[in-house]
Amino acid sequence: GENVEQHPSTLSVQEGDSAVIKCTYSDSASNYFPWYKQELGKRPQLIIDIRSNVGEKKDQRIAVTLNKTAKHFSLHITETQPEDSAVYFCAATPGYSTLTFGKGTMLLVSP
Amino acid sequence: GAVVSQHPSRVICKSGTSVKIECRSLDFQATTMFWYRQFPKQSLMLMATSNEGSKATYEQGVEKDKFLINHASLTLSTLTVTSAHPEDSSFYICSVPSGYAGYTFGSGTRLTVV
Repeated sequence: GENVEQHPSTLSVQEGDSAVIKCTYSDSASNYFPWYKQELGKRPQLIIDIRSNVGEKKDQRIAVTLNKTAKHFSLHITETQPEDSAVYFCAATPGYSTLTFGKGTMLLVSP
Repeated sequence: GAVVSQHPSRVICKSGTSVKIECRSLDFQATTMFWYRQFPKQSLMLMATSNEGSKATYEQGVEKDKFLINHASLTLSTLTVTSAHPEDSSFYICSVPSGYAGYTFGSGTRLTVV
């Protein structure tokens, strides 16, 4: 089955800096890669996703890149704000099957 | 994406009792729903895949007789934790794959077994 590795586990940045979280996956059949933000005790919220036919996608301060050859995808957050502080999960799936999640990254943005 | 409702949001039960958690897809017919468990400071781990009108598919290590799943309609899946013990205390969350829109999560259920 799919295996998703996520790094780093914790990331501390100053407000206004950029944050990058990286994930690798093992199943070359995976073709959908969402990123979720989860605040304590709440459900994961989709913040951005990318499909395997696209190399990069951007939505305001958030961008995701995908390298299918290397089986690697990354989340980029620019101009970070304190409200960006949360746990971020990457995930991968081959089609409309179960999502396999990375272990999560706790992002701390200091004012 | 789909609108998913999950109840209850929190439940405290005594050890040995059973608890039922409901996951409803309000605007999307879900032939499949996923049930995850999340322990504190950990990731979401898939427990089982709920299939409408047929038996659920459980992940390795998940006891099917302890975590009963029923998916009797295209809008409702239930997870029953039977004979709950303190080690079953966790955050349980359902997810509905909603076509090209991706996946929608329920609001989660915080189960505490005392």
